[in-house]
Amino acid sequence: AQSVTQLGSHVSVSEGALVLLRCNYSSSVPPYLFWYVQYPNQGLQLLLKYTSAATLVKGINGFEAEFKKSETSFHLTKPSAHMSDAAEYFCAVSDSRNYGQNFVFGPGTRLSVLP
Amino acid sequence: NAGVMQNPRHLVRRRGQEARLRCSPMKGHSHVYWYRQLPEEGLKFMVYLQKENIIDESGMPKERFSAEFPKEGPSILRIQQVVRGDSAAYFCASAGPGGDNEQFFGPGTRLTVL
Repeated sequence: AQSVTQLGSHVSVSEGALVLLRCNYSSSVPPYLFWYVQYPNQGLQLLLKYTSAATLVKGINGFEAEFKKSETSFHLTKPSAHMSDAAEYFCAVSDSRNYGQNFVFGPGTRLSVLP
Repeated sequence: NAGVMQNPRHLVRRRGQEARLRCSPMKGHSHVYWYRQLPEEGLKFMVYLQKENIIDESGMPKERFSAEFPKEGPSILRIQQVVRGDSAAYFCASAGPGGDNEQFFGPGTRLTVL
C-alpha cells in the first residue's frame, strides 16, 4: 500500500522568499513521485516527476524537488516565490513496477504569496 | 495535440437525477483514470479503465456509480440518483502505453447537486 502526507495544509510566503512544500511518502515498492499544481477551478498540471533517474528533479516555473529515499521525502522548493505561484500543490506516488497503477495523492498544500 | 478533454465543465443536477460525465483521453492513450475531489480535499482515485475493460474499481462507491470506456468514443462516468454528497469535481486522467506512469489530467467536471 502507498500513502502520501503533506505537512502544512496552508503555507504563506512573501514574494521573493524561498518556497518549501513538504511531501513524505510511504511505499513498499520503488516509487514514482510527482508534484502537480492546481489553479482555482482548473485541472492539475504536472510540475515535475521522479522516475528513478536523477534524485534532484527540475520542473517547470523554477520548481525543483529532491528524492531522498532514506527520509522517504520528496519536498518541493523554489528559490524565489512569485505571485503567480499561488495555487494548490499536490504530491502523488505510484508504483514504478506496475505500469498503469493509479496515483495516490496527498491532501494538498495551498500556497499563498504575500506582496 | 489536444489534451484530455472533459465535458461538461459544469453540471447541475437535482437530487435523484442522473449525471453523465465524459472524458476523451489524449490521442494514443489507452488508459483512463477517474478521480474525485471533494471541496478542500485532495484527489481520490475512483476507477482505472482500459478500452472495454475495468482494470481497478476499488475506489468506486458500490452503488449508483459506474464507468465505462468503450471501444469507440469517450469514457463515461455515470452517477445514478445523485445525492448532495456527490457534489464534487471529477477529474479524468489518461496515460499512454509504456513510459513512466505519467498521467495527464483534464480540466474536470464540477458537479453540483441541488
